[in-house]
Amino acid sequence: GESVGLHLPTLSVQEGDNSIINCAYSNSASDYFIWYKQESGKGPQFIIDIRSNMDKRQGQRVTVLLNKTVKHLSLQIAATQPGDSAVYFCAEIPYGQNFVFGPGTRLSVLP
Amino acid sequence: KAGVTQTPRYLIKTRGQQVTLSCSPISGHRSVSWYQQTPGQGLQFLFEYFSETQRNKGNFPGRFSGRQFSNSRSEMNVSTLELGDSALYLCASSLEEVGTEAFFGQGTRLTVV
Repeated sequence: GESVGLHLPTLSVQEGDNSIINCAYSNSASDYFIWYKQESGKGPQFIIDIRSNMDKRQGQRVTVLLNKTVKHLSLQIAATQPGDSAVYFCAEIPYGQNFVFGPGTRLSVLP
Repeated sequence: KAGVTQTPRYLIKTRGQQVTLSCSPISGHRSVSWYQQTPGQGLQFLFEYFSETQRNKGNFPGRFSGRQFSNSRSEMNVSTLELGDSALYLCASSLEEVGTEAFFGQGTRLTVV
């Protein structure tokens, strides 16, 4: 498959464990954030989003936490599965502007 | 409902040539954005179109241009191709305005030789 990024930070977790992927964003005016998952050879796939008036949002097996004080976003994946192996991007969207993506983190799930 | 469709999936072009990539958004979506993805620079915003008007533009040279048609389909064009233009070009569509959930296509892999 195609390489999304050759020198991405990598997180390796055991299958069944929880994963936490972190992202620092830069613009304090950003009011909308999205996490995307990108598998080799595919486009980014929406996972979960959160607006700046919230500090936590839960989906199916995923939770996003937002800390506006330190401009930090995290994605928690419960009971990580082999199919979760991918590159994960956070995106911040300042009001009226377009997406600014983070560099990405490669998640590797070990059997 | 069909997702975002990008054509072609793969392209090989020679330096100096020009190329046109196509994106069909999800039915009913009016906003189309284009991104360039490279291993070194990551995902970078090119431009966004909404109702046939370019609404935002990223920091790319004028060789990169785009347009949107009345049916919301969009094309992007790169003229006078350079080796550094080799990348995965991604298109994303949104229902309405910027700041809402965006869905990506599979991308077009452009290789310039």
